[in-house]
Amino acid sequence: GAGVSQSPSNKVTEKGKDVELRCDPISGHTALYWYRQRLGQGLEFLIYFQGNSAPDKSGLPSDRFSAERTGESVSTLTIQRTQQEDSAVYLCASSRDRDTDTQYFGPGTRLTVL
Amino acid sequence: AQKITQTQPGMFVQEKEAVTLDCTYDTSDPSYGLFWYKQPSSGEMIFLIYQGSYDQQNATEGRYSLNFQKARKSANLVISASQLGDSAMYFCAISNDYKLSFGAGTTVTVRA
Repeated sequence: GAGVSQSPSNKVTEKGKDVELRCDPISGHTALYWYRQRLGQGLEFLIYFQGNSAPDKSGLPSDRFSAERTGESVSTLTIQRTQQEDSAVYLCASSRDRDTDTQYFGPGTRLTVL
Repeated sequence: AQKITQTQPGMFVQEKEAVTLDCTYDTSDPSYGLFWYKQPSSGEMIFLIYQGSYDQQNATEGRYSLNFQKARKSANLVISASQLGDSAMYFCAISNDYKLSFGAGTTVTVRA
């Protein structure tokens, strides 16, 4: 079946603007995750959804970052008043359920803040 | 908290040879999962192989195998018969509950 999809694939914005990043998980996957990858580095956990609730938001770097999920479907990561340090690839993953189920990743959104 | 250490920033391997990528981890949890992902230059993260902490046998998946040494907290990835398409960044990750913690990655370059 279809994998995880993300849009846009690339986003260039000016400092101070708000951006929205979208993730469509694999159909039937109840768990959804957002990660951030800075250039040349590993992935940093941002937030986890089980259904449409977010039991763990501990990775969100500041209150400028927020995320929501509609049911067990689409999720949106919003970054308000973007800063240059927000430039990174934002990756979304989904898994059938939580625990140690394998997480399957989308292609990512490359965000560049000028 | 979990921590993953990948000490090899980059490796070169000759086509058709095997390569071992090192991964050590630190966790106090008795139950966890270990994952390896491949990230080619296109940026996507491709799942390769999984090892559960209670699994008695080492995981294998085609040309990928995991050398799991629980007492040493080591989960090395072995890629056999390397192909040019194996050139990529490889990440080791540990999962407890739901969150994945990633290592810094190892860049593998396969030479013809």
